[in-house]
Amino acid sequence: SYELTQPPSVSVSPGQTARIPCSGDALPKHYAHWYQQKPGQAPVGVIYKYSERPSGIPERFSGSSSGTTVTLTISGVQAEDEADYYCQSVDSRGNYVVFGGGTKLTVL
Amino acid sequence: QVQLVESGGGLVKPGGSLRLSCAASGFTFGDYYMSWIRQAPGKGLEWISYMNSSGGIIYYIDSVKGRFTISRDNAKNSLYLQMNNLRADDTAVYYCARFGDYHDYWGQGTPVTVSS
Repeated sequence: SYELTQPPSVSVSPGQTARIPCSGDALPKHYAHWYQQKPGQAPVGVIYKYSERPSGIPERFSGSSSGTTVTLTISGVQAEDEADYYCQSVDSRGNYVVFGGGTKLTVL
Repeated sequence: QVQLVESGGGLVKPGGSLRLSCAASGFTFGDYYMSWIRQAPGKGLEWISYMNSSGGIIYYIDSVKGRFTISRDNAKNSLYLQMNNLRADDTAVYYCARFGDYHDYWGQGTPVTVSS
Protein backbone atom coordinates (compact mmCIF):
# COMPACT_ATOMS: atom_id res chain seq x y z
CA SER A 1 0.00 0.00 0.00
CA TYR A 2 1.04 3.59 -0.61
CA GLU A 3 2.94 5.40 2.14
CA LEU A 4 3.97 8.95 2.96
CA THR A 5 7.15 9.20 5.02
CA GLN A 6 7.82 11.91 7.59
CA PRO A 7 10.51 12.18 10.30
CA PRO A 8 9.08 11.38 13.73
CA SER A 9 10.40 14.56 15.27
CA VAL A 10 11.88 17.97 14.53
CA SER A 11 13.21 20.41 17.10
CA VAL A 12 13.91 24.10 16.69
CA SER A 13 14.47 27.11 18.92
CA PRO A 14 11.99 29.98 18.94
CA GLY A 15 12.49 32.33 16.02
CA GLN A 16 14.26 29.72 13.90
CA THR A 17 12.91 28.02 10.81
CA ALA A 18 11.42 24.54 10.99
CA ARG A 19 11.26 22.34 7.92
CA ILE A 20 9.24 19.15 7.90
CA PRO A 21 9.62 16.92 4.84
CA CYS A 22 7.17 14.33 3.54
CA SER A 23 8.10 11.91 0.79
CA GLY A 24 5.97 9.72 -1.44
CA ASP A 25 6.22 8.39 -4.97
CA ALA A 26 2.92 9.88 -6.12
CA LEU A 27 3.50 13.36 -4.75
CA PRO A 28 4.54 14.82 -8.11
CA LYS A 29 1.15 13.73 -9.46
CA HIS A 30 -1.21 14.50 -6.60
CA TYR A 31 -1.58 17.45 -4.26
CA ALA A 32 -0.24 17.30 -0.72
CA HIS A 33 -1.81 18.98 2.27
CA TRP A 34 -0.60 19.64 5.80
CA TYR A 35 -2.45 19.52 9.12
CA GLN A 36 -1.48 20.72 12.57
CA GLN A 37 -2.78 18.87 15.61
CA LYS A 38 -2.35 20.03 19.18
CA PRO A 39 -2.98 17.68 22.13
CA GLY A 40 -6.64 16.92 22.67
CA GLN A 41 -7.73 18.84 19.59
CA ALA A 42 -8.90 17.96 16.11
CA PRO A 43 -6.45 18.55 13.24
CA VAL A 44 -6.45 21.89 11.44
CA GLY A 45 -5.33 22.39 7.87
CA VAL A 46 -2.37 24.75 7.58
CA ILE A 47 -1.35 24.21 3.93
CA TYR A 48 -3.31 22.71 1.04
CA LYS A 49 -2.49 21.99 -2.60
CA TYR A 50 1.25 21.97 -1.83
CA SER A 51 1.52 25.67 -0.96
CA GLU A 52 -1.85 27.35 -0.46
CA ARG A 53 -2.56 28.76 2.97
CA PRO A 54 -6.13 28.70 4.34
CA SER A 55 -7.55 31.92 5.68
CA GLY A 56 -6.57 32.53 9.27
CA ILE A 57 -3.30 30.60 9.05
CA PRO A 58 -0.27 32.81 9.81
CA GLU A 59 2.03 33.73 6.95
CA ARG A 60 4.95 32.00 8.66
CA PHE A 61 3.47 28.70 7.43
CA SER A 62 4.42 27.82 3.85
CA GLY A 63 4.64 24.74 1.69
CA SER A 64 6.76 23.64 -1.24
CA SER A 65 7.24 20.68 -3.51
CA SER A 66 10.21 19.17 -5.28
CA GLY A 67 9.95 15.83 -6.99
CA THR A 68 8.74 13.17 -4.59
CA THR A 69 9.16 15.37 -1.50
CA VAL A 70 6.95 18.10 -0.15
CA THR A 71 8.03 20.32 2.71
CA LEU A 72 6.18 22.31 5.34
CA THR A 73 8.21 25.33 6.42
CA ILE A 74 7.48 27.36 9.52
CA SER A 75 9.49 30.56 9.60
CA GLY A 76 10.09 32.35 12.87
CA VAL A 77 8.73 29.47 14.93
CA GLN A 78 6.73 30.41 17.99
CA ALA A 79 6.03 28.38 21.11
CA GLU A 80 2.40 28.00 20.01
CA ASP A 81 3.55 26.11 16.90
CA GLU A 82 4.57 23.12 19.00
CA ALA A 83 2.29 20.37 17.72
CA ASP A 84 2.09 17.26 15.58
CA TYR A 85 2.10 17.86 11.83
CA TYR A 86 0.74 15.44 9.24
CA CYS A 87 1.03 15.45 5.49
CA GLN A 88 -1.81 13.97 3.45
CA SER A 89 -2.25 13.04 -0.17
CA VAL A 90 -3.78 10.24 -2.24
CA ASP A 91 -2.36 7.11 -3.86
CA SER A 92 -1.15 6.99 -7.45
CA ARG A 93 -4.63 6.32 -8.81
CA GLY A 94 -6.09 9.13 -6.77
CA ASN A 95 -8.55 6.88 -4.99
CA TYR A 96 -7.23 6.25 -1.50
CA VAL A 97 -6.43 8.97 1.02
CA VAL A 98 -3.13 8.58 2.85
CA PHE A 99 -1.66 10.40 5.84
CA GLY A 100 1.99 10.52 6.73
CA GLY A 101 3.00 9.12 10.10
CA GLY A 102 3.22 12.57 11.63
CA THR A 103 6.06 14.75 12.88
CA LYS A 104 6.22 16.10 16.40
CA LEU A 105 7.56 19.64 16.33
CA THR A 106 9.25 20.62 19.56
CA VAL A 107 10.04 24.27 20.25
CA LEU A 108 13.06 24.26 22.52
CA GLN B 1 -20.15 28.69 10.31
CA VAL B 2 -19.26 25.15 9.33
CA GLN B 3 -19.82 22.68 12.12
CA LEU B 4 -19.42 18.91 12.27
CA VAL B 5 -20.55 17.03 15.36
CA GLU B 6 -19.88 13.32 15.78
CA SER B 7 -21.80 11.04 18.11
CA GLY B 8 -22.36 7.37 18.77
CA GLY B 9 -19.01 6.34 20.17
CA GLY B 10 -18.57 4.31 23.31
CA LEU B 11 -17.37 1.07 24.84
CA VAL B 12 -18.14 -2.13 22.94
CA LYS B 13 -17.00 -5.73 23.23
CA PRO B 14 -14.93 -7.39 20.52
CA GLY B 15 -17.22 -8.59 17.77
CA GLY B 16 -19.80 -5.95 18.60
CA SER B 17 -21.23 -3.13 16.52
CA LEU B 18 -21.57 0.63 16.70
CA ARG B 19 -23.07 3.26 14.44
CA LEU B 20 -21.39 6.64 14.37
CA SER B 21 -23.17 9.76 13.19
CA CYS B 22 -21.87 13.11 12.03
CA ALA B 23 -24.26 16.05 11.97
CA ALA B 24 -23.24 18.81 9.59
CA SER B 25 -24.32 22.44 9.51
CA GLY B 26 -23.24 25.76 8.06
CA PHE B 27 -22.73 24.55 4.49
CA THR B 28 -24.52 22.72 1.71
CA PHE B 29 -23.82 19.19 2.89
CA GLY B 30 -24.96 17.56 -0.34
CA ASP B 31 -22.26 19.37 -2.33
CA TYR B 32 -19.29 17.75 -0.58
CA TYR B 33 -17.40 14.51 -0.29
CA MET B 34 -17.09 13.44 3.35
CA SER B 35 -14.49 11.29 5.12
CA TRP B 36 -14.14 9.29 8.30
CA ILE B 37 -10.67 9.42 9.84
CA ARG B 38 -9.52 7.81 13.07
CA GLN B 39 -6.68 8.16 15.53
CA ALA B 40 -5.70 5.35 17.87
CA PRO B 41 -4.39 6.37 21.30
CA GLY B 42 -0.95 7.91 20.93
CA LYS B 43 -0.87 7.18 17.20
CA GLY B 44 -1.22 9.12 13.98
CA LEU B 45 -4.16 9.89 11.75
CA GLU B 46 -5.60 7.07 9.67
CA TRP B 47 -8.11 7.69 6.90
CA ILE B 48 -10.86 5.05 6.92
CA SER B 49 -13.36 5.89 4.21
CA TYR B 50 -14.87 8.57 2.05
CA MET B 51 -18.06 8.99 0.11
CA ASN B 52 -18.87 11.43 -2.66
CA SER B 53 -21.81 13.80 -2.53
CA SER B 54 -24.31 11.41 -4.13
CA GLY B 55 -23.04 8.24 -2.49
CA GLY B 56 -21.96 6.69 -5.77
CA ILE B 57 -18.24 6.75 -5.02
CA ILE B 58 -17.03 5.03 -1.87
CA TYR B 59 -13.58 3.87 -0.79
CA TYR B 60 -12.38 2.10 2.34
CA ILE B 61 -9.01 1.32 3.80
CA ASP B 62 -8.33 -2.42 3.49
CA SER B 63 -8.45 -3.09 7.24
CA VAL B 64 -12.14 -2.12 7.50
CA LYS B 65 -13.47 -3.47 4.20
CA GLY B 66 -16.37 -5.82 4.79
CA ARG B 67 -16.79 -4.64 8.39
CA PHE B 68 -17.49 -0.89 8.11
CA THR B 69 -20.09 0.84 5.94
CA ILE B 70 -20.18 4.55 5.22
CA SER B 71 -23.46 6.20 4.30
CA ARG B 72 -25.08 9.61 4.21
CA ASP B 73 -28.48 11.24 4.26
CA ASN B 74 -28.25 14.57 2.48
CA ALA B 75 -31.78 15.50 3.53
CA LYS B 76 -30.71 15.19 7.16
CA ASN B 77 -27.23 16.69 6.62
CA SER B 78 -25.75 13.61 8.18
CA LEU B 79 -22.91 11.16 7.60
CA TYR B 80 -22.80 7.71 9.17
CA LEU B 81 -20.34 4.90 9.81
CA GLN B 82 -21.74 1.48 10.63
CA MET B 83 -19.02 -0.54 12.31
CA ASN B 84 -19.49 -4.30 12.68
CA ASN B 85 -17.28 -7.09 14.00
CA LEU B 86 -15.22 -4.58 15.94
CA ARG B 87 -11.71 -5.50 17.05
CA ALA B 88 -9.40 -4.16 19.71
CA ASP B 89 -7.32 -2.38 17.08
CA ASP B 90 -10.38 -0.35 16.05
CA THR B 91 -10.06 1.52 19.35
CA ALA B 92 -9.60 5.17 18.40
CA VAL B 93 -11.10 8.61 18.25
CA TYR B 94 -13.20 8.79 15.09
CA TYR B 95 -13.45 12.07 13.22
CA CYS B 96 -15.68 13.06 10.35
CA ALA B 97 -14.24 15.67 8.00
CA ARG B 98 -15.43 17.63 5.01
CA PHE B 99 -13.41 16.60 1.96
CA GLY B 100 -13.20 19.47 -0.48
CA ASP B 101 -9.82 20.43 -1.90
CA TYR B 102 -8.53 18.91 1.33
CA HIS B 103 -10.04 17.97 4.68
CA ASP B 104 -10.89 21.55 5.52
CA TYR B 105 -13.29 21.06 8.44
CA TRP B 106 -13.20 18.39 11.14
CA GLY B 107 -15.50 17.45 13.98
CA GLN B 108 -14.26 17.15 17.54
CA GLY B 109 -14.23 13.36 17.32
CA THR B 110 -16.06 10.57 19.12
CA PRO B 111 -14.10 7.92 21.04
CA VAL B 112 -14.60 4.23 20.40
CA THR B 113 -13.16 1.65 22.78
CA VAL B 114 -13.27 -2.03 21.90
CA SER B 115 -12.57 -4.11 24.97
CA SER B 116 -13.95 -7.08 26.85
